[in-house]
Amino acid sequence: QKEVEQDPGPLSVPEGAIVSLNCTYSNSAFQYFMWYRQYSRKGPELLMYTYSSGNKEDGRFTAQVDKSSKYISLFIRDSQPSDSATYLCAMSVAGFQKLVFGTGTRLLVSP
Amino acid sequence: AAGVIQSPRHLIKEKRETATLKCYPIPRHDTVYWYQQGPGQDPQFLISFYEKMQSDKGSIPDRFSAQQFSDYHSELNMSSLELGDSALYFCASSQPMGAHTEAFFGQGTRLTVV
Repeated sequence: QKEVEQDPGPLSVPEGAIVSLNCTYSNSAFQYFMWYRQYSRKGPELLMYTYSSGNKEDGRFTAQVDKSSKYISLFIRDSQPSDSATYLCAMSVAGFQKLVFGTGTRLLVSP
Repeated sequence: AAGVIQSPRHLIKEKRETATLKCYPIPRHDTVYWYQQGPGQDPQFLISFYEKMQSDKGSIPDRFSAQQFSDYHSELNMSSLELGDSALYFCASSQPMGAHTEAFFGQGTRLTVV
């Protein structure tokens, strides 16, 4: 069983929709939780990261971490076609060292 | 702003050949991480270096080796290549290690073994 599970999608939504992306994990030692966006043929780009439990908001993006359930989420409000990409969750025991990634969810936002 | 530079961007090798992938970190970044992303798979951590010393090791095969040089660039050497080594290889760099020091990823090198 993988340490981090993520539905690969694809997830198709119309422009303006609220998108919910999720990951579950099994390692209770994880303390740092990240969301990366990856466009085709590009490297992962950090969107947000959270330490321990709680919520974090940045513009249209909100990250939530529920350590008791070992569940993290990324919400995208007012989704745009330019948000179409693969979204990878990642987590670690110590900062950005030795990240463990999910498989990524492919998001398609149609105009 | 300068980003992480990886070369080459694409590489085609035959089975049993060797390959060398290069990573040039962002200026003043002294930590480098290597990840392997197979087709449709999540990136897997291979190895990392801090101040030219190996700092952590993940699922890196014995056929692979890596090092970080005095100018902080890093090279991943892959020998006796197998078809299963075909993947996207990412390098990331960060400033001196700290809990909240973001690692920035390069564009990756796509290795195809035929």
